[in-house]
Amino acid sequence: NAGVMQNPRHLVRRRGQEARLRCSPMKGHSHVYWYRQLPEEGLKFMVYLQKENIIDESGMPKERFSAEFPKEGPSILRIQQVVRGDSAAYFCASSPRWGGLTDTQYFGPGTRLTVL
Amino acid sequence: QQQVKQSPQSLIVQKGGISIINCAYENTAFDYFPWYQQFPGKGPALLIAIRPDVSEKKEGRFTISFNKSAKQFSLHIMDSQPGDSATYFCAASRHNNAGNMLTFGGGTRLMVKP
Repeated sequence: NAGVMQNPRHLVRRRGQEARLRCSPMKGHSHVYWYRQLPEEGLKFMVYLQKENIIDESGMPKERFSAEFPKEGPSILRIQQVVRGDSAAYFCASSPRWGGLTDTQYFGPGTRLTVL
Repeated sequence: QQQVKQSPQSLIVQKGGISIINCAYENTAFDYFPWYQQFPGKGPALLIAIRPDVSEKKEGRFTISFNKSAKQFSLHIMDSQPGDSATYFCAASRHNNAGNMLTFGGGTRLMVKP
């Protein structure tokens, strides 16, 4: 059973370009969380999605950032017009269901975004 | 408040020693407290987790101690090994209709010297 997959693992963009980060959850998981980790810091929650629905985007910057989790295919985190401050590691995590107090979130290896 | 404070930021322990990492939280609505281990270039991996209805949980060399009244919890790594050298994150979440999003501490970089 493959784990959470993220691609690309490393992404370099120039200021003003768009970045698209992909996350394929574990098989059978329908809940996806995105987190951002700045250098030497902990992870910060960005957005929580279920298939075709954004449930909570309270941690997402109001501008330039968007996320989706279509019925078919991976979840995508999209950053438009990237700036140097967007440089970070972006992790997605998946969980099998909602409804349990101890639903474990399984993390992917992350995408390290560098904005030049 | 959603903050989780973690200390120390870094820790050096001799092989065979006990590593202790502490976390404090503010939001009394948190009801799930996991610890994650992260190696360089990798994603966080769940190590051990606890719910507030118990004061201690042990899995192998790893133990979580939980003090609900003080709003504190800690990770103890017994017989620390060089392979334990990694960054450790405590986290907390509140189960509600909008999911289980985790609030992370700032991390502790552990180095176990041979």
